[in-house]
Amino acid sequence: AQSVTQPDIHITVSEGASLELRCNYSYGATPYLFWYVQSPGQGLQLLLKYFSGDTLVQGIKGFEAEFKRSQSSFNLRKPSVHWSDAAEYFCAVGLPSNTGKLIFGQGTTLQVKP
Amino acid sequence: DVKVTQSSRYLVKRTGEKVFLECVQDMDHENMFWYRQDPGLGLRLIYFSYDVKMKEKGDIPEGYSVSREKKERFSLILESASTNQTSMYLCASSFRAETQYFGPGTRLLVL
Repeated sequence: AQSVTQPDIHITVSEGASLELRCNYSYGATPYLFWYVQSPGQGLQLLLKYFSGDTLVQGIKGFEAEFKRSQSSFNLRKPSVHWSDAAEYFCAVGLPSNTGKLIFGQGTTLQVKP
Repeated sequence: DVKVTQSSRYLVKRTGEKVFLECVQDMDHENMFWYRQDPGLGLRLIYFSYDVKMKEKGDIPEGYSVSREKKERFSLILESASTNQTSMYLCASSFRAETQYFGPGTRLLVL
């Protein structure tokens, strides 16, 4: 069965430090890959997505992610974290079908220290 | 900009009440989804719809039903609310297998 794993439930980084959030998936083929961010009490906002092509994807708010087929991973990175980046981050895998269903990881909560 | 709206941000209901959560999208998307979000469990799919009057069960459909009479509107119905349905409910829509766009969520408390 398809699954998405975000190994880190909670991460704390200092403002200005670099960030990497991990995401691993289990799927027989190359799926569509997404990262979403959720601020407290809000819905999910798309940060970036990978469908095909260049494996390094740029997103909004200075985030990027790299698809590594050999590791079944799609890790999210940011070179310098801002206090406003504190939020919950979800990795999701999409199945290439018309239904557009997504499978979500359990989420990683990011805390930013001043 | 894609806009997905949900009828209420916060709801308080009594056990046994029938509850309707409404979701409307303005992008003519075929697919619409209802998720439930609980701490430590991520997002779990309750139901989705890939066309008007078409629906499929997700991972946790028990205790819920849905209705999609018009393309832009997807309703989640709790036939008889129970305390274990206290949660955050998120609606989303997408065009085929492309990006899902989410509404702001409805936080439901069942007393």
